[in-house]
Amino acid sequence: AQKITQTQPGMFVQEKEAVTLDCTYDTSDPSYGLFWYKQPSSGEMIFLIYQGSYDQQNATEGRYSLNFQKARKSANLVISASQLGDSAMYFCAMREDNAGNMLTFGGGTRLMVKP
Amino acid sequence: EAGVTQSPTHLIKTRGQQATLRCSPISGHTSVYWYQQALGLGLQFLLWYDEGEERNRGNFPPRFSGRQFPNYSSELNVNALELEDSALYLCASSSRQGLHTEAFFGQGTRLTVV
Repeated sequence: AQKITQTQPGMFVQEKEAVTLDCTYDTSDPSYGLFWYKQPSSGEMIFLIYQGSYDQQNATEGRYSLNFQKARKSANLVISASQLGDSAMYFCAMREDNAGNMLTFGGGTRLMVKP
Repeated sequence: EAGVTQSPTHLIKTRGQQATLRCSPISGHTSVYWYQQALGLGLQFLLWYDEGEERNRGNFPPRFSGRQFPNYSSELNVNALELEDSALYLCASSSRQGLHTEAFFGQGTRLTVV
């Protein structure tokens, strides 16, 4: 079974609008962390935001917020006020405490921001 | 503070040859992770090193190997290269295992096997 599922291979959003990128995960480990990374065409993976399984509040980092719904096992990324520079691949990843510090990645979503 | 650095940036090898990729983690980080990203695909976990030891290994054949040096830098070796080994190889480092700390990635080495 897939541990991390990103069901949107590609998304378009109008500049200045908000967009939600979906991520669902599967784990039986009660302690885990969820991450979102951005990968521009240059290839570098840029860390965006982190949510711990025991965190009571949704994580926020500037224009990025994570909509964490633990019971549904979803960790969607919300980008507010999209900018042209947000066009990139976005990856959701999970680290389970019983699996060391290894990150498992989803297949990614390509976001394209339209001017 | 310097980030994770990888070398070389690009590498072209012939099928059957060996490739060596290098990674220097962020100062103070003891864990290094290697991932393979084939064209258009997600990241597949290859290897995890911490404190000089191999801690975990992904579902890759034994011709993918590596090591971590006393200064925590790491090397990934790919023997008997095959065409499907062509990919972006990403290295990441983090500070400690067992804590929810993010892993920081280098810019990758793009390996092309011809």
